[in-house]
Formats: sequence, C-alpha cells, structure tokens
Amino acid sequence: DTAVSQTPKYLVTQMGNDKSIKCEQNLGHDTMYWYKQDSKKFLKIMFSYNNKELIINETVPNRFSPKSPDKAHLNLHINSLELGDSAVYFCASTGTENTEAFFGQGTRLTVV
Amino acid sequence: AQTVTQSQPEMSVQEAETVTLSCTYDTSESDYYLFWYKQPPSRQMILVIRQEAYKQQNATENRFSVNFQKAAKSFSLKISDSQLGDAAMYFCAYRSAGTGTASKLTFGTGTRLQVTL
Repeated sequence: DTAVSQTPKYLVTQMGNDKSIKCEQNLGHDTMYWYKQDSKKFLKIMFSYNNKELIINETVPNRFSPKSPDKAHLNLHINSLELGDSAVYFCASTGTENTEAFFGQGTRLTVV
Repeated sequence: AQTVTQSQPEMSVQEAETVTLSCTYDTSESDYYLFWYKQPPSRQMILVIRQEAYKQQNATENRFSVNFQKAAKSFSLKISDSQLGDAAMYFCAYRSAGTGTASKLTFGTGTRLQVTL
C-alpha cells in the first residue's frame, strides 16, 4: 500500500502550457505539503494545507495554485509553465501522531 | 527564521567503514525536531533517523546514529558498517515543535555519499 502517492511521476510539457500534479495520502494525516527540489537538489516548502485550509504559502509565483478537495488529497496546478519551473515536486503529509513527514515519490517536471 | 547548513557537498566511504555527515542549524527555539532523510537515485525521500530536542539521549536506528549537541546546534549522522545501498543524498532537516505552520521542514543543501568497494 502506497502511503503518499503522486501522479504523474514524470511530466514533460511545453512552455506556456497548464498542468496539474495530483497527490493522495492514505495515512489519515491532517496536514499535506508541496515541496520543490531544484536542479541543485535544494528542497523548499511551497504550500501546506491542514484539513483543507491553506496554512503555508511561501513566496511562490501565483501561477502555482494548490487545491485540497479533502484532507486526503492535495493537488498542484501550474499555469503558463516556464523553463524555470522545471524541478522535482514532492508531496508530503504529517499527522498529529508523528513529527516526520512522509513523502510521495516525486514528480519530475520538465518544461521545454 | 531557521537555517540548516550541511558543509560537506560530497563524502566517500569504503564499504564496511564508518562515515560521519555534518549538520548545523540555527534557531532561537528551544523545542524542535531534527531529521536525516536519505534520497537514493530512485528519488524517494526516506526517513533515516529522528531526534527530539528535549531528549538528551542520541537517537540510534541500527547502523545509523546521531551526535546531537544542542548547545552547539550540531546534529551529525554516523553510518557504521557502510553498505553499497547507503549511497545516496542525505538531507538534514529541522522542524519546529507544534502543528500548523510550525510543521514545515527546513532542509540543508544535502551531502552526496559515495560508497566504494
């Protein structure tokens, strides 16, 4: 059973397109996150939702819009994709019972 | 804001030997958590070990142990009896105690560990 699942694993798209990445967790966690890992492997928080409410919104272009239809799902929609958006995007979740984050397998986004 | 520093971009260790990866952090908080995550070529982020700041005892998980020095704000990872499967990027991470906005992870820049025969 996959605890945190992202789709797709790979995404290649042209500049200017709009794309979405989906994330689902079956751990019963209340809090979900999007992290971005750039080409130098640096990981940084983008957004976090707690029980469908946005609680963290770091300095991210407003072309990125997260949506949480329920506490088990957190999607990331990106408009007007740019070359600089190429990165690996990780979904993660935490629960009240634990302190560590559980990560999805990442989505490698390549904008050409 | 908290910061996490990993000063070793790359390390190398021979199989069966011991290696220590360094991590320092900066915070004004007294209660927090520290983690080491492993990222193999598969890209998956895997939790290696966790340390609660209020615990004086260093955490251990099989061949992995930490040296947590709270006053010095240092959190190093020791890997004993290194195996080929330990080759990966290792990230040190910090999170505040509490929930909500405090639960985000702040990562270091990572250390790439090579394991040689």
